[in-house]
Amino acid sequence: AQSVTQPDIHITVSEGASLELRCNYSYGATPYLFWYVQSPGQGLQLLLKYFSGDTLVQGIKGFEAEFKRSQSSFNLRKPSVHWSDAAEYFCAVGRSYNTDKLIFGTGTRLQVFP
Amino acid sequence: DTAVSQTPKYLVTQMGNDKSIKCEQNLGHDTMYWYKQDSKKFLKIMFSYNNKELIINETVPNRFSPKSPDKAHLNLHINSLELGDSAVYFCASSQDGPGSYEQYFGPGTRLTVT
Repeated sequence: AQSVTQPDIHITVSEGASLELRCNYSYGATPYLFWYVQSPGQGLQLLLKYFSGDTLVQGIKGFEAEFKRSQSSFNLRKPSVHWSDAAEYFCAVGRSYNTDKLIFGTGTRLQVFP
Repeated sequence: DTAVSQTPKYLVTQMGNDKSIKCEQNLGHDTMYWYKQDSKKFLKIMFSYNNKELIINETVPNRFSPKSPDKAHLNLHINSLELGDSAVYFCASSQDGPGSYEQYFGPGTRLTVT
């Protein structure tokens, strides 16, 4: 069965520092991978997605993620964090057809200090 | 224009009551979903509909009944509410067709059962 693990429940960084949020997935075939962000009291916004092709994908708000099949990982990165990036980040995996459900990780809460 | 909207945003009710949450999308998508986010922020699929047809029905108590009057709307009706139903409920939608895998989420409905 599919599963997604986000090992870090809570991360704190200083504004301007670099960021990496970890995501590991379990799925037998080629996964479809997503990162969503949830600001306090808000819905989920898609940051980026990976289906195929270039394993380094660029998203909105300066985020990028790299798919590493050998490590079953899809880590999210940002070179310089802004205070407005403080939010909950969710990694998700979908199967190979586009009306299927998404399986979400438990989320990583990002706190940014000035 | 809001892409995926939900009403109400907040819902406070007593145990045993029946309530509904409405969802509408103006993206022309064919598939709509309901997800439940518990107090630990864990997101889990409940249902999905494709062109008014139920295609995903996870292990959800039958007190929960989705209804899709047309492909732009997916409502969630909950009978005999219990304390454990307190959560944030998110509606989402996605488009059919190759390469259209991301799901667009509504702002959520925070349900509190007292």
